[in-house]
Amino acid sequence: DQQVKQNSPSLSVQEGRISILNCDYTNSMFDYFLWYKKYPAEGPTFLISISSIKDKNEDGRFTVFLNKSAKHLSLHIVPSQPGDSAVYFCAASEDSGYALNFGKGTSLLVTP
Amino acid sequence: ETGVTQSPTHLIKTRGQQVTLRCSSQSGHNTVSWYQQALGQGPQFIFQYYREEENGRGNFPPRFSGLQFPNYSSELNVNALELDDSALYLCASSSQGGKNTEAFFGQGTRLTVV
Repeated sequence: DQQVKQNSPSLSVQEGRISILNCDYTNSMFDYFLWYKKYPAEGPTFLISISSIKDKNEDGRFTVFLNKSAKHLSLHIVPSQPGDSAVYFCAASEDSGYALNFGKGTSLLVTP
Repeated sequence: ETGVTQSPTHLIKTRGQQVTLRCSSQSGHNTVSWYQQALGQGPQFIFQYYREEENGRGNFPPRFSGLQFPNYSSELNVNALELDDSALYLCASSSQGGKNTEAFFGQGTRLTVV
């Protein structure tokens, strides 16, 4: 039972434009959300997180938006760079905090 | 500051065998979690160790077991290997019992069961 869903397996964006990656969740107990980036043959790298008490968190080129009523979050990357090409995973955890529930990932390709 | 390291990086085992995977947590982190990532899927939570005790477990059978040592390093043991156990096994370390803190992952161990 997939509680975190990333419905777009892949996304292609031109360098300099905005990349928007989407994530939906079904468990209303989730209160902490994270995005990870993964290159081939490497482990996931933490990118940015957001607590359920916020609706936006920004870190440089990366911004995460959380819409609790819609159970939806998105990651915006602007401007996109070729080095951003990777698989992006959305993850969420409940109040207990011990388990991260991951989506299946979205493969982002940023073309020059 | 050293990151999370896992060993070995690749492993091939025969069905029915047992395997032990190892993880050294990031400096200053006291919590280790293990995840299984099958091909084309996101990582699935196996269990977490905090202060040498299991602190939560996902939907995995008892033949998946673990240990955490006083230096916070950890082992994942899988008995009676099955073909479906073939996957990338990821270790992640975090602090404060893993609650609402980002977890940092190692590069993973690719296990192939034949």
